[in-house]
Amino acid sequence: NAGVTQNPKFQVLKTGQSMTLQCAQDMNHNSMYWYRQDPGMGLRLIYYSASEGTTDKGEVPNGYNVSRLNKREFSLRLESAAPSQTSVYFCASNRDRGNYGYTFGSGTRLTVV
Amino acid sequence: GESVGLHLPTLSVQEGDNSIINCAYSNSASDYFIWYKQESGKGPQFIIDIRSNMDKRQGQRVTVLLNKTVKHLSLQIAATQPGDSAVYFCAETRTGANSKLTFGKGITLSVRP
Repeated sequence: NAGVTQNPKFQVLKTGQSMTLQCAQDMNHNSMYWYRQDPGMGLRLIYYSASEGTTDKGEVPNGYNVSRLNKREFSLRLESAAPSQTSVYFCASNRDRGNYGYTFGSGTRLTVV
Repeated sequence: GESVGLHLPTLSVQEGDNSIINCAYSNSASDYFIWYKQESGKGPQFIIDIRSNMDKRQGQRVTVLLNKTVKHLSLQIAATQPGDSAVYFCAETRTGANSKLTFGKGITLSVRP
């Protein structure tokens, strides 16, 4: 039982490049989330998917897109990376919205140069 | 707007002592609270949760106390160990159809040998 798996763990991009961060969970959870974590800023919600087939913007969605591919997978795409998107990205999932605790992945450390 | 905050950015304790980490929340409608632990280079890990119909909940070496009157949450760690060194986050939400967790910025617990 792996929980929440994120790939890649590290990535360096040049400004303007695109990439997709992968996230998969094997706990049959309905809800999935993407956060970014910056020093002194805590965890900020980028996008979330309350259930399969739905996605919604969070606190900081600009510059990102998401796809809830199926119940297990929720990907985050940067179409044109900017240095301001240098951060650590965490994917999380839970049984049902905020009504239960979240399980987090181990993160993707992204640097945009 | 509503927010979750922590009183102190850092806490240093002697190994073997008890630790108390405090959190203030401002949304009086919140009814579900969680403490997370984040070790360096890892994702946040669920420690313990409490719902608003309880004042206290105990886990293994950890206790969460909820004071709804003053909107205060605390995490007590008994016999603090070096492995407890991490950043601790509180999170809160009002459960329901549109529920999402709101995270505090975190406090660093440093355990002195």
